Amino acid sequence: AQSVTQLDSHVSVSEGTPVLLRCNYSSSYSPSLFWYVQHPNKGLQLLLKYTSAATLVKGINGFEAEFKKSETSFHLTKPSAHMSDAAEYFCVVSPFSGGYNKLIFGAGTRLAVHP
Amino acid sequence: GAVVSQHPSRVICKSGTSVKIECRSLDFQATTMFWYRQFPKQSLMLMATSNEGSKATYEQGVEKDKFLINHASLTLSTLTVTSAHPEDSSFYICSASLLRTGDQETQYFGPGTRLLVL
Repeated sequence: AQSVTQLDSHVSVSEGTPVLLRCNYSSSYSPSLFWYVQHPNKGLQLLLKYTSAATLVKGINGFEAEFKKSETSFHLTKPSAHMSDAAEYFCVVSPFSGGYNKLIFGAGTRLAVHP
Repeated sequence: GAVVSQHPSRVICKSGTSVKIECRSLDFQATTMFWYRQFPKQSLMLMATSNEGSKATYEQGVEKDKFLINHASLTLSTLTVTSAHPEDSSFYICSASLLRTGDQETQYFGPGTRLLVL
């Protein structure tokens, strides 16, 4: 069975400090993995996507994520948080890399950024 | 690129009325469109998947007669909440995947529609 676990429901950081949002997945196949961000009362914006190419994926707004198969993890990081990064972040798995299939969403991590 | 719009962004209606929500892919053709529902402080729940010109596939527990989905073209899908009741109040989000090989699994999301049924 496929599943996604976001290890922290809330993360709070100070502006200018690093961000780490943790995600572990379970998949019987070679999955594709995504991080999406959702600002209040908005839809989801794609931050980055892993599809079995380079294990370190760079996304928009300075975010990046590293796929670690041995740890079944896909943690999202950013070297320096900005106030505008405060939002809800979803780790998402597509069980089969390539082609259409249902996405599996994590429960979300709410990131707060303090001045 | 890959912009998805929804209309309306917010709607308030009386109990018993029907509400239609439109989802459009603005700069691409969408193989498949998806409808999600999101409750406050929760993740997205997939309601149904629709392909242009065919009937939607509903997730278990979603009433197909209550949530009517029409996918008339490669750029437009509509969700109609029929005989809406207060428990249907929610944030509805659509997404679309591109009509091209190699990237069908990425979904691009609309901005969402906030429905409040009084």
